[in-house]
Amino acid sequence: QVQLQESGPGLVKPSGTLSLTCEVSGDSFTRKNWWSWVRQPPGKGLEWIGEIYHSGTTNYNPSLKSRVTISIDKSKNQFSLNLKSVTAADTAVYYCARDNFFGSGSQYFDYWGQGILVTVSS
Amino acid sequence: DIQMTQSPSSLSASIGDRVTITCRASQTISTYLNWYQHKPGKAPKVLIYAASNLQSGVPSRFSGSGSGTDFTLTINSLQPEDFATYYCQQSYTTPRTFGQGTKVEIK
Repeated sequence: QVQLQESGPGLVKPSGTLSLTCEVSGDSFTRKNWWSWVRQPPGKGLEWIGEIYHSGTTNYNPSLKSRVTISIDKSKNQFSLNLKSVTAADTAVYYCARDNFFGSGSQYFDYWGQGILVTVSS
Repeated sequence: DIQMTQSPSSLSASIGDRVTITCRASQTISTYLNWYQHKPGKAPKVLIYAASNLQSGVPSRFSGSGSGTDFTLTINSLQPEDFATYYCQQSYTTPRTFGQGTKVEIK
């Protein structure tokens, strides 16, 4: 059974950097999977942040691209999110998820972490 | 970006009711459309992928249909555990985008 678990600080100061890690168990980064970060601000819907392939190739949401870095550490079976220059608008529950691809490129998120609330406040 | 618009934003229904949620894409996305169920404090759960494929382990009262720009999620005989928020998500291209959600509440 694949499991994902987010970890990191729950409070970040404005203008600082939000850093989260997602530890993956039950799967291996040697498999050809993409791994994503998704967030949900309080009272709002889901927003895709970006994704990383096992090779390190990334895709980012253009709305966040200038501030986001997603990286992967295959030796630790984990991938990470860095979001710099944060403001209160970045306060959200952050989820990591596995992208499942099949057929002619159809994709969906089949495994998710439980989510971690990150608050941006001084 | 492809905009996903769900309707309604919320609905009230009774146990045993049939519920229909619609999702419209701002451009054609073939059948690259997924549906998720999200309960407070829990991880989202995929119900339907590629418009009409039922994810393993999901009850058969859930079904999806549509292609192009218009899609539907149907819940037949609503159960107590189905009260949640439902999201559609397009996987036609990046950035992957979600609908704004439909909250299903108890009448």
